[in-house]
Amino acid sequence: NAGVTQTPKFQVLKTGQSMTLQCAQDMNHEYMSWYRQDPGMGLRLIHYSVGAGITDQGEVPNGYNVSRSTTEDFPLRLLSAAPSQTSVYFCASGTSGYNEQFFGPGTRLTVL
Amino acid sequence: SQQGEEDPQALSIQEGENATMNCSYKTSINNLQWYRQNSGRGLVHLILIRSNEREKHSGRLRVTLDTSKKSSSLLITASRAADTASYFCATDFSGGSNYKLTFGKGTLLTVNP
Repeated sequence: NAGVTQTPKFQVLKTGQSMTLQCAQDMNHEYMSWYRQDPGMGLRLIHYSVGAGITDQGEVPNGYNVSRSTTEDFPLRLLSAAPSQTSVYFCASGTSGYNEQFFGPGTRLTVL
Repeated sequence: SQQGEEDPQALSIQEGENATMNCSYKTSINNLQWYRQNSGRGLVHLILIRSNEREKHSGRLRVTLDTSKKSSSLLITASRAADTASYFCATDFSGGSNYKLTFGKGTLLTVNP
């Protein structure tokens, strides 16, 4: 099993550009989530999904969109990038009955 | 924000010593977890303790939970240089989704050879 994979590893955008961060898991987990990690702030939940077709907002959802058309994939879309979205983004997955979450390696995003 | 808070923010010890990190949170929880993050990497789950448990062990890790004080501690015994990492506590809150974790800001542990 590859676990949770994220692409790209690094990305530089200009203000106003859009892009999609990819996340995939091969563990058949129903739960997937996106976090951002900023220096001194810990991880903050952006959006999460409890199954295909079901998504909900986390703590910091503004400026981000998600969809979940399959169990495996949970892409995060930045519609119009802003410098405040410069961060490291982590995708995670988990399964019901146990709360452990499995994290991907992260995407480091810089918005100029 | 319902973030937990780790204490201390940074801890530097010698190999072989024990390391203790603390976590405080604000509201009632279902579970509390500890994760480790090596520099530039994703988080790795270490241990989970449920709200009705007071202590849990896993290898060199010992976690305690005091729900009356809304606090937890993570003890790493006989530390090794490979334990150098950031450690985060994460909670899911009573009445909320078990999947919605709230992370603290982390403790940076440095174990010197």
